[in-house]
Amino acid sequence: EAGVAQSPRYKIIEKRQSVAFWCNPISGHATLYWYQQILGQGPKLLIQFQNNGVVDDSQLPKDRFSAERLKGVDSTLKIQPAKLEDSAVYLCASSLRDPRGTQYFGPGTRLLVL
Amino acid sequence: TQLLEQSPQFLSIQEGENLTVYCNSSSVFSSLQWYRQEPGEGPVLLVTVVTGGEVKKLKRLTFQFGDARKDSSLHITAAQPGDTGLYLCAGPLLGSYQLTFGKGTKLSVIP
Repeated sequence: EAGVAQSPRYKIIEKRQSVAFWCNPISGHATLYWYQQILGQGPKLLIQFQNNGVVDDSQLPKDRFSAERLKGVDSTLKIQPAKLEDSAVYLCASSLRDPRGTQYFGPGTRLLVL
Repeated sequence: TQLLEQSPQFLSIQEGENLTVYCNSSSVFSSLQWYRQEPGEGPVLLVTVVTGGEVKKLKRLTFQFGDARKDSSLHITAAQPGDTGLYLCAGPLLGSYQLTFGKGTKLSVIP
């Protein structure tokens, strides 16, 4: 079974630029999560989708971050404009139904904002 | 405020030694999960403990959930270089499904 795929693996941009990350969850997984992991910290949930609907985006900085999950499969996370403090690893995870099920994480996209 | 406090933050030991890492909170969790994360990879689930006082063993790893479901420990016997990584604890607070993560313990096992 293929795992969670993410791209790109690395991205370097300058502040005020835009960036987008892509995630393809495990086939058949209804729930998809985006986490932000700052160096030296544990992952922090940004947004959770159930199929193509948003379940929780309370910790998403909506003035600059946006995410969508069209057709309930792939998802994209966008930052516009980026700030220095957005430098982090962005992890995508998926679970079969809801958070009570095991979450499987992708390898992450490492973002550096200069 | 960090809901889950992990200690120690860093640990460097020789191959063959035993170690224990801790995950503590003042809040009650429905369950606690332990993950290992290697450089450049996402966290991988090791175990989930659900019942207060529960002990689970995974080969050389022993996980314990506190009686009050506020804390957990991970004990590794005869550590191997392959155990090197960042150990994260995480759990949903009582009444929630959202995972809260600790900052992790970075373990280095020296051959």
